[in-house]
Amino acid sequence: GAGVSQSPSNKVTEKGKDVELRCDPISGHTALYWYRQSLGQGLEFLIYFQGNSAPDKSGLPSDRFSAERTGGSVSTLTIQRTQQEDSAVYLCASSFPHYQPQHFGDGTRLSIL
Amino acid sequence: SQQGEEDPQALSIQEGENATMNCSYKTSINNLQWYRQNSGRGLVHLILIRSNEREKHSGRLRVTLDTSKKSSSLLITASRAADTASYFCATDSNTGNQFYFGTGTSLTVIP
Repeated sequence: GAGVSQSPSNKVTEKGKDVELRCDPISGHTALYWYRQSLGQGLEFLIYFQGNSAPDKSGLPSDRFSAERTGGSVSTLTIQRTQQEDSAVYLCASSFPHYQPQHFGDGTRLSIL
Repeated sequence: SQQGEEDPQALSIQEGENATMNCSYKTSINNLQWYRQNSGRGLVHLILIRSNEREKHSGRLRVTLDTSKKSSSLLITASRAADTASYFCATDSNTGNQFYFGTGTSLTVIP
């Protein structure tokens, strides 16, 4: 479809493993955003990309979290040495241009055992 | 850190009634947006109001913005059972490089 696509939709992994989450934004959307939503909570901003660059990475919770975007399109969020507190739904959104309404994917539900 | 807060946290009304949700934020903004989220899904954009606007309408939605009080309200008129969802306000940071969503209002519309 033409919407934001995230994969996998669900991921269960053991504590200490690394995980990689993928986001395919809407074609032509230059801005891409990652958020984390814990159960019953609001969204926690993680990082924003304009093209391939992230002007501000201070929203990432720890140095175990990293994100990249290549070709101004697909983005991956990597969590190294996962901890149980990393369990949450990770949402990706895109927009064009920046400041315009964000279009969200349905998220990746991450469970750390 | 989160800068937006909605109240009430939860709201339950009868179908046909109006629902009002409020949002407060802390710093100056470029615009404020409202989103809805159905259970288990991503967020859907409802309406955007710019910092120099005071009121905006879209169908059954009415949004107001008071930058002096750093607050906004979302009014849903003639509510329907399908309006049952969580509603979030979102603002950008001073630099425009971070975005803040509130904790949300969970709306239940009883048929």
